[in-house]
Amino acid sequence: DTEVTQTPKHLVMGMTNKKSLKCEQHMGHRAMYWYKQKAKKPPELMFVYSYEKLSINESVPSRFSPECPNSSLLNLHLHALQPEDSALYLCASSQTGALPEKLFFGSGTQLSVL
Amino acid sequence: AQSVTQLDSQVPVFEEAPVELRCNYSSSVSVYLFWYVQYPNQGLQLLLKYLSGSTLVKGINGFEAEFNKSQTSFHLRKPSVHISDTAEYFCAVKGGSYIPTFGRGTSLIVHP
Repeated sequence: DTEVTQTPKHLVMGMTNKKSLKCEQHMGHRAMYWYKQKAKKPPELMFVYSYEKLSINESVPSRFSPECPNSSLLNLHLHALQPEDSALYLCASSQTGALPEKLFFGSGTQLSVL
Repeated sequence: AQSVTQLDSQVPVFEEAPVELRCNYSSSVSVYLFWYVQYPNQGLQLLLKYLSGSTLVKGINGFEAEFNKSQTSFHLRKPSVHISDTAEYFCAVKGGSYIPTFGRGTSLIVHP
């Protein structure tokens, strides 16, 4: 199994809603990432978990809250989002997070905030 | 600090023609270089990577790239493109930080 699975594929939410994005991998990878991608732009790193510990937070607003319950799962909890948060949210994983490793990406969750 | 410049935002080409997508990088340390492809409504997929050794790197789907240290470039090439190669292509660099820096992307549009 060389897949990173993200659910849901599409999500529409209001600014007062609370929702969660889920990401799962069964490759035994110990580094997991959340990226945000606007249309026609490169992915922007949000968070990195390494061995289930948050190792990088790229100054992301607190309305985004990551969680890594175990080595296979990564969640992104959303609360009180703004319309400008609408984007494709990509999850990725790699073996340990070391320099030469490639990233395995999920297909993303397309989020629309109304 | 590290950065990546993809000079072309869009490259239109006819089917079966050759294509080159340009990427230049800057870094104060040794780098690892990557090309990723993103098909519509999908995540990114690794095409190829340069870590060390031979400067000509072959990847999936018939793509190859050449690392040129003196010109700080890592251009992606394919001798004959197909309609199915239509996608967004991202060059990425990893240097002192283990987090990759992505270029802005080049949209390859293959016309029949």
